Amino acid sequence: DTGVSQNPRHKITKRGQNVTFRCDPISEHNRLYWYRQTLGQGPEFLTYFQNEAQLEKSRLLSDRFSAERPKGSFSTLEIQRTEQGDSAMYLCASSLPTGTTFGANVLTFGAGSRLTVL
Amino acid sequence: AQKITQTQPGMFVQEKEAVTLDCTYDTSDPSYGLFWYKQPSSGEMIFLIYQGSYDQQNATEGRYSLNFQKARKSANLVISASQLGDSAMYFCAMREGDDMRFGAGTRLTVKP
Repeated sequence: DTGVSQNPRHKITKRGQNVTFRCDPISEHNRLYWYRQTLGQGPEFLTYFQNEAQLEKSRLLSDRFSAERPKGSFSTLEIQRTEQGDSAMYLCASSLPTGTTFGANVLTFGAGSRLTVL
Repeated sequence: AQKITQTQPGMFVQEKEAVTLDCTYDTSDPSYGLFWYKQPSSGEMIFLIYQGSYDQQNATEGRYSLNFQKARKSANLVISASQLGDSAMYFCAMREGDDMRFGAGTRLTVKP
């Protein structure tokens, strides 16, 4: 297993266009998280999945954002009608179920997908 | 709501010296986990060290140690024998169940 994979790594788009990011987690991880990170800030939680179920969504996730994890494996994050304020790094992370072992609590991150909205 | 505070936007340390990065947290949940991640300029978040709220001893991982003071709700990261490759952003994070939140980070610069 090569870890958490995110694609594309970089996306430049014009305001108003739709973009989609994909995340492939570590295969045995049933938790999958999306975070957004702007320059000089820490990651901000967007949403997370347990298998295919989306269990929590941040208020940061406006109606223009939608995330799916249809078969409990890979996930997609779509942003519709992009705005310049959406420019950020979108980070995906995965983990085992919490509480079982030390390693279960650690989130493993992908390299991120950087979005630039012109 | 949980809250993570990192009060040092930037820190400088001389190569081979030790440095402490501060982190305080706020939670009413007795069960939680504290983490430190490193983010170099390449952007990837790299896990460094973990401390569980019920752990009796401070966590250590090589040159990294976590100074856990539960009563003060602090979880400072100590890096010993700093190396030039330690220059990066460092984030403190807390996890309660499946909910994990991050502080604003500290940029560490190691000077030769």
